[in-house]
Amino acid sequence: AQSVAQPEDQVNVAEGNPLTVKCTYSVSGNPYLFWYVQYPNRGLQFLLKYITGDNLVKGSYGFEAEFNKSQTSFHLKKPSALVSDSALYFCAVRDRVASGANNLFFGTGTRLTVIP
Amino acid sequence: KAGVTQTPRYLIKTRGQQVTLSCSPISGHRSVSWYQQTPGQGLQFLFEYFSETQRNKGNFPGRFSGRQFSNSRSEMNVSTLELGDSALYLCASSSGQGGGNTIYFGEGSWLTVV
Repeated sequence: AQSVAQPEDQVNVAEGNPLTVKCTYSVSGNPYLFWYVQYPNRGLQFLLKYITGDNLVKGSYGFEAEFNKSQTSFHLKKPSALVSDSALYFCAVRDRVASGANNLFFGTGTRLTVIP
Repeated sequence: KAGVTQTPRYLIKTRGQQVTLSCSPISGHRSVSWYQQTPGQGLQFLFEYFSETQRNKGNFPGRFSGRQFSNSRSEMNVSTLELGDSALYLCASSSGQGGGNTIYFGEGSWLTVV
């Protein structure tokens, strides 16, 4: 069974400081991993994904994520946080074994607040 | 290129009624999936359509149904609405099935059941 864990419901960081939003996953095979961001009363916006290759993935708005197979983690990072980064962040996984099944399994989300 | 478009954005229904939500995928995308988002249950997969066929279904009762048309547009229907159906319903599209295809989401339809 596939699952995603986002251990922190809330992350607070000062503007200009680096930020990390944590995600661990569990799948039967190798995963496809995704990060999405949701602003208030909006849908989900795609940030980045890991398919294969380089473990460090760069995405939109200066975000990046590091895939760590041994720790089954895919933490989202940004070197310098902006107040406008304040939002709800979701990690999602799709099992590579279950190819053809397009659905994503989402974590419970982490609310990021960047303090001016 | 226009994104995923969902209508209506907001609606209020009464218990026992039914509702139909509409979704237009990104041009050229043939896969459309639906998700329900609630504060208690988070984001949950409802179903996926590809080439007018339901390919995958989540763990929801039969009151939740959907369909996809030849132009890839999709609708989902919820019959005999319950208070617990109040949620944000998100439609998403991708160019293909599975694999590393990115799934792009619409702004959602906010359903309130009273």
